[in-house]
Amino acid sequence: AQTVTQSQPEMSVQEAETVTLSCTYDTSESDYYLFWYKQPPSRQMILVIRQEAYKQQNATENRFSVNFQKAAKSFSLKISDSQLGDAAMYFCAYRSALLSDMRFGAGTRLTVKP
Amino acid sequence: DGGITQSPKYLFRKEGQNVTLSCEQNLNHDAMYWYRQDPGQGLRLIYYSQIVNDFQKGDIAEGYSVSREKKESFPLTVTSAQKNPTAFYLCASSIEQAHDNEQFFGPGTRLTVL
Repeated sequence: AQTVTQSQPEMSVQEAETVTLSCTYDTSESDYYLFWYKQPPSRQMILVIRQEAYKQQNATENRFSVNFQKAAKSFSLKISDSQLGDAAMYFCAYRSALLSDMRFGAGTRLTVKP
Repeated sequence: DGGITQSPKYLFRKEGQNVTLSCEQNLNHDAMYWYRQDPGQGLRLIYYSQIVNDFQKGDIAEGYSVSREKKESFPLTVTSAQKNPTAFYLCASSIEQAHDNEQFFGPGTRLTVL
């Protein structure tokens, strides 16, 4: 079974600076999809960014970008110009191209200091 | 507005009682999911359904039951057989035709067993 590991339970960043959240996963499949979700204090899960495994180019969404290393099975999230509203739990998720379920990591709690 | 609704937001249950959590979506999505969220463990899949009148067990289905009689609705029953039901429950849905599609989440239900 696929597993997703987020090794940083908590991270903090100064406002306007850059932070990187780590995620590794274990799979024997070659075709899959990776996601980062944000869960603010309201507990509403919000998609931040997604990456298709067959694409070599790293996905970017405004201030959010990923570093996808397929051979290393690594999928880190970089947040640039951090804002107070970025404070939240961030979950890395894996979805097989063959199966319907999504696997989540344990999450990283990000604190943004003013 | 399209979206996913979950009710109630907070639910209290006495030990030995069954309780049903509601999940409704008007996104015309084929697939629906139930997750359980505990502190430090991320999201774990309870059940999912890809089509009306069909559903599959996830990783932690014991003590739970579901039904999918309508495309829009996917209620979750927490039975008395669930030994530790106090948790935050999230419902999600997605377009099933492509696995790169994100899952959209409801606002969640916090269940507390008294």
